[in-house]
Amino acid sequence: QQPVQSPQAVILREGEDAVINCSSSKALYSVHWYRQKHGEAPVFLMILLKGGEQKGHDKISASFNEKKQQSSLYLTASQLSYSGTYFCGTPPAGNTPLVFGKGTRLSVIA
Amino acid sequence: KAGVTQTPRYLIKTRGQQVTLSCSPISGHRSVSWYQQTPGQGLQFLFEYFSETQRNKGNFPGRFSGRQFSNSRSEMNVSTLELGDSALYLCASRGLGQGSGANVLTFGAGSRLTVL
Repeated sequence: QQPVQSPQAVILREGEDAVINCSSSKALYSVHWYRQKHGEAPVFLMILLKGGEQKGHDKISASFNEKKQQSSLYLTASQLSYSGTYFCGTPPAGNTPLVFGKGTRLSVIA
Repeated sequence: KAGVTQTPRYLIKTRGQQVTLSCSPISGHRSVSWYQQTPGQGLQFLFEYFSETQRNKGNFPGRFSGRQFSNSRSEMNVSTLELGDSALYLCASRGLGQGSGANVLTFGAGSRLTVL
């Protein structure tokens, strides 16, 4: 079951904040976040393994609400380098390959 | 260590032809997954191979097939190409084991297939 991401696209000015949501109709075992810059391969950002877990990397952080079956990615004080498409991925069960959402295209402008 | 290598990077085929794409995973990674990326559908899972065996398969027609060799290198083949097969095909490897890092995918740059 493909997770649903929202919004589909967002445009920010440098320094603004954004939230990208990822939800599933099925139980989430873990949530993975990847970023793909234009013309490049997707790159791993972070993984959240259990409900209530929060992680951060620089000014990008994420939370995982297991009960609500959703995760959110927070981008604070966005930089031009944050532009790209963000994907969340979840394994349908245990140690199975990730099923990704359709992605959220983030554009940061000066 | 070297990353995931995919060849060829770009190719153009015509309808009805077949194509083979190659992927060399990160050294030591025994799991290789293939994804199809299109603008409308995002990343769609094709299949995963581990130790030369297909472990998981996505919802794609039988025209899509793959295999893995003893050195973990993998190939995927698409027969009787259709216009809708035009896409970026991404290969990803992961090291299966304990810990949160075990399930992290490392993607290759992809093979961009155009079907005319």
